[in-house]
Amino acid sequence: AQSVAQPEDQVNVAEGNPLTVKCTYSVSGNPYLFWYVQYPNRGLQFLLKYITGDNLVKGSYGFEAEFNKSQTSFHLKKPSALVSDSALYFCAVKTNAGKSTFGDGTTLTVKP
Amino acid sequence: DARVTQTPRHKVTEMGQEVTMRCQPILGHNTVFWYRQTMMQGLELLAYFRNRAPLDDSGMPKDRFSAEMPDATLATLKIQPSEPRDSAVYFCASDPGNTGELFFGEGSRLTVL
Repeated sequence: AQSVAQPEDQVNVAEGNPLTVKCTYSVSGNPYLFWYVQYPNRGLQFLLKYITGDNLVKGSYGFEAEFNKSQTSFHLKKPSALVSDSALYFCAVKTNAGKSTFGDGTTLTVKP
Repeated sequence: DARVTQTPRHKVTEMGQEVTMRCQPILGHNTVFWYRQTMMQGLELLAYFRNRAPLDDSGMPKDRFSAEMPDATLATLKIQPSEPRDSAVYFCASDPGNTGELFFGEGSRLTVL
């Protein structure tokens, strides 16, 4: 079975500092990995994806993610955090059948 | 601006009542998902369809939940009878073609008293 794990329920960072939200995955075959963001009382929004190619993927709002096959990780990063980045972040993996499985989510809080 | 539309946004009902949630996927998207979000369980996949055909509904309690796509512009999720443990936010999402890039609606917040 394919799965993702987000080891941290909460990440706190000061505005202007770099941020990292961690994700590890377990899949058979090539992974299709995604990051989504959810603001309060809203649906999830797609941020970025890794299918193949460059291990560093760039996405919306200045976010990027680094795919590491040997460590089976897909960590979300941003060089300089904004207070408006505070939200709930989900890592997801897509199966060959098209089903997407999500992690438990990580709450990011950026303090001014 | 194309978006997934869900109705109702909020629903409060009493235990035992029937609840129907509706979703209009983005035009042209051929895969539609229903997810349930709770604090305890996170995001759970209930069911999904491709080209209106159900592919997987193993995440759904069969005795009370049913999901259908009567046409390409409408997906429904029905709970009958509803129970307090069904209280959650139910999300519909669509995918343009098995890309894995899901477009989510704003959700239907259900409270069963």
